[in-house]
Amino acid sequence: GAVVSQHPSWVICKSGTSVKIECRSLDFQATTMFWYRQFPKQSLMLMATSNEGSKATYEQGVEKDKFLINHASLTLSTLTVTSAHPEDSSFYICSAKGQVEVDEQFFGPGTRLTVL
Amino acid sequence: GQNIDQPTEMTATEGAIVQINCTYQTSGFNGLFWYQQHAGEAPTFLSYNVLDGLEEKGRFSSFLSRSKGYSYLLLKELQMKDSASYLCAPMDSNYQLIWGAGTKLIIKP
Repeated sequence: GAVVSQHPSWVICKSGTSVKIECRSLDFQATTMFWYRQFPKQSLMLMATSNEGSKATYEQGVEKDKFLINHASLTLSTLTVTSAHPEDSSFYICSAKGQVEVDEQFFGPGTRLTVL
Repeated sequence: GQNIDQPTEMTATEGAIVQINCTYQTSGFNGLFWYQQHAGEAPTFLSYNVLDGLEEKGRFSSFLSRSKGYSYLLLKELQMKDSASYLCAPMDSNYQLIWGAGTKLIIKP
């Protein structure tokens, strides 16, 4: 199957700093990338959907000025958590969809963010 | 609204068979996915059903009834490594996956 990578795998930062998470599709062109957040023992929550070359579509309740998403190429999308606070600590997962069979979303391994 | 209903937790014995049921309500329907998620890891794809019936893939099978808004995942010959959460995710008319909290499956020796 298609491979999606995320970097970093985990990050610890101080409150008020910004953190950038990269999501790459390694062996296919991702026309659409999705960013999810998952708190412990809860379901995946879609934060935003991004199509290459256009602005991301954010889900209701997600602050677009706080969670900056850039999808500049068909293989790379970035999520920047600006001025992170402890309540932003979570597991952030990206997935990518391209011209592959059955519209399957391929997930990255996730990034665990801890804000102190 | 859109809704997914799965049992929160199930327990089964190594070597046995377990069926995880899922009922759903979505705005439109473009198929249903099952994903496996181990603790602390991202989901991995298990199966996709878009037509009614049973899809078999090794030890795992998935069934869909669109008229009933119902699916199940059948796991045979359970192994300890099958301990994980299993997520039922239908795709709505916008091709967006709808996620529930999943079913935590505990396998006992």
